Amino acid sequence: DAGVTQSPTHLIKTRGQHVTLRCSPISGHKSVSWYQQVLGQGPQFIFQYYEKEERGRGNFPDRFSARQFPNYSSELNVNALLLGDSALYLCASSLWADRLISSGANVLTFGAGSRLTVL
Amino acid sequence: AQTVTQSQPEMSVQEAETVTLSCTYDTSENNYYLFWYKQPPSRQMILVIRQEAYKQQNATENRFSVNFQKAAKSFSLKISDSQLGDTAMYFCAFMKQGAQKLVFGQGTRLTINP
Repeated sequence: DAGVTQSPTHLIKTRGQHVTLRCSPISGHKSVSWYQQVLGQGPQFIFQYYEKEERGRGNFPDRFSARQFPNYSSELNVNALLLGDSALYLCASSLWADRLISSGANVLTFGAGSRLTVL
Repeated sequence: AQTVTQSQPEMSVQEAETVTLSCTYDTSENNYYLFWYKQPPSRQMILVIRQEAYKQQNATENRFSVNFQKAAKSFSLKISDSQLGDTAMYFCAFMKQGAQKLVFGQGTRLTINP
């Protein structure tokens, strides 16, 4: 089975531009989360989506938005890019549901990330 | 809000040695989960081990085991018979029950030397 896939793997943008990052979850996983990992730090939670609805949002400005599609894939959009947006963006999927299926349903499986550089 | 602290930015041991990585956390929640993730240079975050807070027994996965002290809010990872492939960044993470948000520590860079 394919794991969590993310695209693109690397990209370079300039300040003020817009970027779209894509994520395909593991087959059967309906929950997708996004994290930002700045160099030398731990990942920071940005969003969680489940059944196409936003279920959680971290402390990020409105320039960050996301959505989930009927096939459970997801996009993360960042507008008006700043130098400080340079980071590794990680997507994770899980079996999480409104009703906990099992304790293992909370385990997040991560993709390899999209490395964004803003010049 | 929950916080996770890893006080060892870097550690280095010889192959086959045992190494322990430290993690403390702060929360007012009673039901939660704790995780150790490994991030090698390939960037992919890989789950190493998971602990449910309601379980008193410490989790083990082959060479990896944890020392979970709920009252002290401590969650250390022990790697036995360390291997070169264990070289990576290790992150401790917290998740409260019913949520999907992971709160990560700052990470510990572990190097296994031949």
